[in-house]
Formats: sequence, structure tokens, C-alpha cells
Amino acid sequence: EAQVTQNPRYLITVTGKKLTVTCSQNMNHEYMSWYRQDPGLGLRQIYYSMNVEVTDKGDVPEGYKVSRKEKRNFPLILESPSPNQTSLYFCASSLQGANEKLFFGSGTQLSVL
Amino acid sequence: ELKVEQNPLFLSMQEGKNYTIYCNYSTTSDRLYWYRQDPGKSLESLFVLLSNGAVKQEGRLMASLDTKARLSTLHITAAVHDLSATYFCAVDNSGGSNYKLTFGKGTLLTVNP
Repeated sequence: EAQVTQNPRYLITVTGKKLTVTCSQNMNHEYMSWYRQDPGLGLRQIYYSMNVEVTDKGDVPEGYKVSRKEKRNFPLILESPSPNQTSLYFCASSLQGANEKLFFGSGTQLSVL
Repeated sequence: ELKVEQNPLFLSMQEGKNYTIYCNYSTTSDRLYWYRQDPGKSLESLFVLLSNGAVKQEGRLMASLDTKARLSTLHITAAVHDLSATYFCAVDNSGGSNYKLTFGKGTLLTVNP
């Protein structure tokens, strides 16, 4: 089954403790992207990747890192999480870009205490 | 800075009625997308509109794009309860490279029996 898999679904952590949210797709998609969703703000793009080893910033990249060493994986790294990074995070992928149908993961609810 | 505004943000309607959700954006773009999110779920791609005058229809939903007016509409015909969800529009914010999206804040649609 074609899907985008995020882990974990829920994560509670403390300020400053490094964490990684994983994202994997099995559709051989070139484009992958991370978003955060906050009440009343809609979705905001954090980072995106056009292909292996090619990444760029979205609208809210501060405090986040990404890597794309393999086509299928696009992890989101929070080196030193802060409470303002408490949010619902979504990973998405498409064949080549955002002008095609985006497939979203099921989301990761992160709470930073 | 690209701004994407949806109206209304909250919409309560009766089954069988018609209504339109509006998505205005502030800079030139000829690519606009609509997504649906059910409560507690991920996002699902509904429509990809890639040119001025584009019209797409699926079931009781029809989306259109007027790039000159910087406006997209999502029209709901004879609403049914199953259409209750949050609807987001998103605009290509990358100058046509199809990598960056800016989302509206979403329209929470509730269809009452």
C-alpha cells in the first residue's frame, strides 16, 4: 500500500532534549516536505526536499534540521526543542513537486514541556 | 510576503444547501491546491489547479481558479453530512518552482441534518 509513515504519533519531551521525527515513503517520490499545524494558523512549511541531498527552507525553519540521505526517508530533527515547538507535525511527499498530489503522513503530535 | 486568506473560517450549513468557500491570495501565482482534513486525521488532496480558469469537480465539490482576481472558490452543492471537515487552500509560493506552499488557515465546515 502506498503510504507516508511518520513516527512517533505522539511524543512528549522536555526542553533541550534532542529528538527526531521520522518520515518514510514507499512511492519512490522525489519531493518531500515537513509542515507544522497550529490552531488558528493553518499549516506552515518547515523544510522541503527536491531529491536526495537537496533540501531548502520553508517559511518557519528556525529550530529545525532535516536531512535527505535516502530517497525514501526525510527525518525532522529538533536539536534543542523549546515549548514553542509544541505542535502537530505532518510529513508529505509527491512524485516531483507540490504541483502534484501530495500524500500526507498521519501526523506527529509533539509536546515540549 | 504571500498571504492566503480563506472565508469564512467557520461554516455551519444544512444538508441539501449550497455554499461557497473563498480563497484569496496576495501575490501572483497560477497554482492553487485544495485539501481536506477530517477531525483528528491527516490531510487529503482534493484538487490541483494549475492555470487561470481551471475548474475541477469531484462529487458535490467544485473548485475554480481566477488568477487575475487572485481568487479560488470551492463550491459545495447539496451538502451532506460526510462533507463535514476542515478545508484548506494552499498557494504555490516558490515563483513557479512548485516546491513551497503557503496555506490558508482553513475553513471548518459543519453540515447539519
